[in-house]
Amino acid sequence: QKEVEQDPGPLSVPEGAIVSLNCTYSNSAFQYFMWYRQYSRKGPELLMYTYSSGNKEDGRFTAQVDKSSKYISLFIRDSQPSDSATYLCAMSGETSGSRLTFGEGTQLTVNP
Amino acid sequence: ETGVTQTPRHLVMGMTNKKSLKCEQHLGHNAMYWYKQSAKKPLELMFVYNFKEQTENNSVPSRFSPECPNSSHLFLHLHTLQPEDSALYLCASSTNTGSWYNEQFFGPGTRLTVL
Repeated sequence: QKEVEQDPGPLSVPEGAIVSLNCTYSNSAFQYFMWYRQYSRKGPELLMYTYSSGNKEDGRFTAQVDKSSKYISLFIRDSQPSDSATYLCAMSGETSGSRLTFGEGTQLTVNP
Repeated sequence: ETGVTQTPRHLVMGMTNKKSLKCEQHLGHNAMYWYKQSAKKPLELMFVYNFKEQTENNSVPSRFSPECPNSSHLFLHLHTLQPEDSALYLCASSTNTGSWYNEQFFGPGTRLTVL
């Protein structure tokens, strides 16, 4: 079983839609949860990170963590064509230091 | 130059060639990482360096040889690669590896094709 599962998509939505991206994980030691965005021909860049359970909002983006279900989500409101990218979830825990465990990534296309 | 840079951006090599990938970070970080990114697979951590010392080798075949001469530069020397080694190789850096959480900053990657 993979430590982190992420639906690779591809996911295609119309502009203005609400997008939900999700990851599940099996390692209960994970405490830091990150979402990276990777544009074509670029490296991943950190979009948001949360510690432990709860929600975090940044503009049109909301990250949610449910540690009891081992489930994390990234919501994008009013999606824009510029949001078209691959979204990677990543996690780490106190026992792993800065070592990140990544999901496969979900490819998102927002159509104008 | 800012952030993390990688050269070359694209590389095509035969199975008998020897080549090197270069990474440079301009962020004052002390930890550097090599990752392999293949289609439909999660990023695979290959090597970790902290203050120029290798702290992790994730069971990488010896045909990949890393070198970290200082905290700003990281190399990946390649020799007698296989076609399945074709992938995007990403370099990343972070403040160090000692904290529970460190944001990792990635370079644009080198797209490697092995013929």
